[in-house]
Amino acid sequence: QKEVEQNSGPLSVPEGAIASLNCTYSDRGSQSFFWYRQYSGKSPELIMSIYSNGDKEDGRFTAQLNKASQYVSLLIRDSQPSDSATYLCAVNGPGGYSTLTFGKGTMLLVSP
Amino acid sequence: AAGVIQSPRHLIKEKRETATLKCYPIPRHDTVYWYQQGPGQDPQFLISFYEKMQSDKGSIPDRFSAQQFSDYHSELNMSSLELGDSALYFCASSLRDRGTSYGYTFGSGTRLTVV
Repeated sequence: QKEVEQNSGPLSVPEGAIASLNCTYSDRGSQSFFWYRQYSGKSPELIMSIYSNGDKEDGRFTAQLNKASQYVSLLIRDSQPSDSATYLCAVNGPGGYSTLTFGKGTMLLVSP
Repeated sequence: AAGVIQSPRHLIKEKRETATLKCYPIPRHDTVYWYQQGPGQDPQFLISFYEKMQSDKGSIPDRFSAQQFSDYHSELNMSSLELGDSALYFCASSLRDRGTSYGYTFGSGTRLTVV
C-alpha cells in the first residue's frame, strides 16, 4: 500500500522567512507529485506539481523532488500570514491514472 | 472558469438515515473521485469513476454506493448513517486523457453532520 509521510507540525515561521515542508513516499514507482494547500474547512487547492528530479519554481513556491531518496519538498519564500494553512503532499503511482494518495498534511503558521 | 460543483454544502442527518451527495465535474473532465475527510485527518479516497464506470475503489463502506451518470455528474449515496460518518466529503475531477499528472480539481465539499 502506498504511503505518504509528512510531519504534522505545526511549523511556525515569522513573516518574511522561508518555510520548508517535507514529504516522503513509499512507492518507488510513483511518477507525479503534488502539493495542495488547505485552509480549515475548505477544499484542497493545487499549488504545485512536479514530475522530474530537481527544482520547479512558481512565484514564491519551489517544489523539489529527489526520486532516489523518495523525497519531495515545498519551499515558500517570503512567507505571509495568509500562507498559514495545512499543506498536503499527494502522490500518484505508475501509469499516470492511479488515484492520488495524500499525506496527513503539515500545518504552517506564519506569524506577523 | 467552471469549477467542480458539489451540493449540498451542508447536510444534517440523523443516525440510520440516508444521504445523497451530488458532484458536477468540470466540463469535459471524464473522471470523478470521492474523498472523505474527518476532522484533522487527511482526505481518504472512497471511490472513482471514469467514463461512467467504476475505476478504483478505496475505503468506501458497504453502506455507501456511488455512480456516475451519462452527463458525468456523480452521486454518493450513504445509508444507515452513523455518527462516525460526520465529515467533509470532497469530489474532485480530472481529464483522464491527460492522466492524473496534472492533479485533481476539488469541489468545495459537503459537510455532513450525523446527529
